[in-house]
Amino acid sequence: DAGVIQSPRHEVTEMGQEVTLRCKPISGHNSLFWYRQTMMRGLELLIYFNNNVPIDDSGMPEDRFSAKMPNASFSTLKIQPSEPRDSAVYFCASSYHYSGDTQYFGPGTRLTVL
Amino acid sequence: AQRVTQPEKLLSVFKGAPVELKCNYSYSGSPELFWYVQYSRQRLQLLLRHISRESIKGFTADLNKGETSFHLKKPFAQEEDSAMYYCALSPLTGGFKTIFGAGTRLFVKA
Repeated sequence: DAGVIQSPRHEVTEMGQEVTLRCKPISGHNSLFWYRQTMMRGLELLIYFNNNVPIDDSGMPEDRFSAKMPNASFSTLKIQPSEPRDSAVYFCASSYHYSGDTQYFGPGTRLTVL
Repeated sequence: AQRVTQPEKLLSVFKGAPVELKCNYSYSGSPELFWYVQYSRQRLQLLLRHISRESIKGFTADLNKGETSFHLKKPFAQEEDSAMYYCALSPLTGGFKTIFGAGTRLFVKA
């Protein structure tokens, strides 16, 4: 298995534009997580899914952020409209279960909003 | 409430010196504790977890339920150990999410 796959690896966009980040979890994993990492705030959990169903989205900063998981092998995190303060590295991770298990992280998407 | 505290944001040691990265947690049930490591511009990856009781890259961590701690230790630090280290807590039973600490950046000087 290639591990968790994220695309794009880098994204540079202008304020106000829509940004879509993509994630393919490890096959067979039932849980998927989206994190945001910044120097100021460290690693923040945004949302996680179990069996494609969102379980906890309390970490999503505001309505501009949305996430979907239409099937077991794909998830998206969308920011619309994007703002400069959204600049960060966004990680996707997957695991067999959302608690008690090791999480396997993707390489991250480095987002820069100008 | 469940909480993971890593009191040091930055830890700097000389090569060959012992290193201890502190992690304290707050949880009333049976926890599983993890240490994740992130090398420069790489993805986070599991370093070790309590349940497996392994020593990875010379690092060990002991769960102290009395002190609610899971400190990460290595007797002789190497330059390649320089990285960001995150402590994480997850319940063995029950359904809340894994909680990460704020992270400690370890810098090993030559």
